[in-house]
Amino acid sequence: QKEVEQNSGPLSVPEGAIASLNCTYSDRVSQSFFWYRQYSGKSPELIMSIYSNGDKEDGRFTAQLNKASQYVSLLIRDSQPSDSATYLCAVNTIKAAGNKLTFGGGTRVLVKP
Amino acid sequence: DADVTQTPRNRITKTGKRIMLECSQTKGHDRMYWYRQDPGLGLRLIYYSFDVKDINKGEISDGYSVSRQAQAKFSLSLESAIPNQTALYFCASRASGADTQYFGPGTRLTVL
Repeated sequence: QKEVEQNSGPLSVPEGAIASLNCTYSDRVSQSFFWYRQYSGKSPELIMSIYSNGDKEDGRFTAQLNKASQYVSLLIRDSQPSDSATYLCAVNTIKAAGNKLTFGGGTRVLVKP
Repeated sequence: DADVTQTPRNRITKTGKRIMLECSQTKGHDRMYWYRQDPGLGLRLIYYSFDVKDINKGEISDGYSVSRQAQAKFSLSLESAIPNQTALYFCASRASGADTQYFGPGTRLTVL
């Protein structure tokens, strides 16, 4: 089992609709969770971080965390063509040797006009 | 100017050659990282460094070595490149106590 799992997609979404991305993780003691957006050929950029159960909203983005189910999601409201990218889920776990940040394989999102 | 820079941005080399990828950051971060990215596999950690004297192996360190020449500089070497090291390589930096990693623009390496 991969430590962080995402559906690779592509997730095709009409412009203006909500895109819903999911991520599951295997280590119950993971503490912090991140969503990175990566445009083709570019470097990842952080768009959301979440540390406690529940929802966190930032503009059109909402991150949701459920530690009991080991599940984190990202909602993109009013999706725009510029949201077309790969979204990487990353999970941070504190180990004896220090923090370990593990990335999922990413979900490719296509927003169609 | 970019906070995390990588050189070269693209490199094509042959099997058996020694290759060095360089990374510099101007953010004053003490922690630096090297990742490789392959299609569908996300980012996998090769090596990381918490300061100049602290170097640690990541999950896929075999075939790679690193050098932390200064707080701002962290280089990755492939002593004898092989074709399955063809990938996109990213350097990142982070301040201790902070969660956000800042990524460089990436180096696309092709080993023939």
